[in-house]
Amino acid sequence: NAGVTQTPKFQVLKTGQSMTLQCAQDMNHNSMYWYRQDPGMGLRLIYYSASEGTTDKGEVPNGYNVSRLNKREFSLRLESAAPSQTSVYFCASSERGFRLFFGSGTQLSVL
Amino acid sequence: GQQLNQSPQSMFIQEGEDVSMNCTSSSIFNTWLWYKQDPGEGPVLLIALYKAGELTSNGRLTAQFGITRKDSFLNISASIPSDVGIYFCAGQVDTGNQFYFGTGTSLTVIP
Repeated sequence: NAGVTQTPKFQVLKTGQSMTLQCAQDMNHNSMYWYRQDPGMGLRLIYYSASEGTTDKGEVPNGYNVSRLNKREFSLRLESAAPSQTSVYFCASSERGFRLFFGSGTQLSVL
Repeated sequence: GQQLNQSPQSMFIQEGEDVSMNCTSSSIFNTWLWYKQDPGEGPVLLIALYKAGELTSNGRLTAQFGITRKDSFLNISASIPSDVGIYFCAGQVDTGNQFYFGTGTSLTVIP
C-alpha cells in the first residue's frame, strides 16, 4: 500500500520555465491538497480539492494551477516559475477532511 | 489565514528526559493533529484529537485537546534518539475545511 506518491522527488528550473508536479493516492480518499513548506513558515496550503471535480484556493495560490484528474490524482502546475517558488512541495489526502496523509515531497529550486 | 503559535521553537534534551510542547490558536478548532517530520520526508501523523478535553496516547506520546479548544499539547516520555525531528501541530475549524499548521518544534535528543 503506497499511500500518497509524488513525482518528481527533486527538480531544478530556470525562471520562466513551466512544470507539473504529480500526485496520486491509493487510499480512496475524496480530498486532496497541495502544500508548500518554507523554513520557519510551517506548511501553507496552495490549493485543495474536496472531491473529484472541485478545486479551491488555499492561503498561497498565486502562480499555481491545479487539476483534479480523477479521484486518485491531483496535479500542481507552475506556468512560469519564479525564484519565490523555490520550496518543498507536499501533496496530501484525507478521508472526508479528517486526518491528513502526506507524500514524501518534491524539492524544487528555481534559479 | 489562521495563526497557530507553536512552542518551543527548538529543544535540546538528554536521552531519557520527557518532552512537552504546545500549540495555541486565536480561533476555536474542532480537530487537532500532531505530526513528526524527518529530514527529507513528509510529515507522518502521530495523534489525532477530535473532542475538547480528549487525551490520546500513542506509545510514549500523549496529546491533549485543550478544553478551550484553542490549544493542544504533546508530551513525549523517556525520549530516545529516534525521536529527533520536527514536530508540527495542525488545526481545523470545521470538518472538511482546510488545516492550518504551526511552525514546528525541532527536537534534538543528546545520547
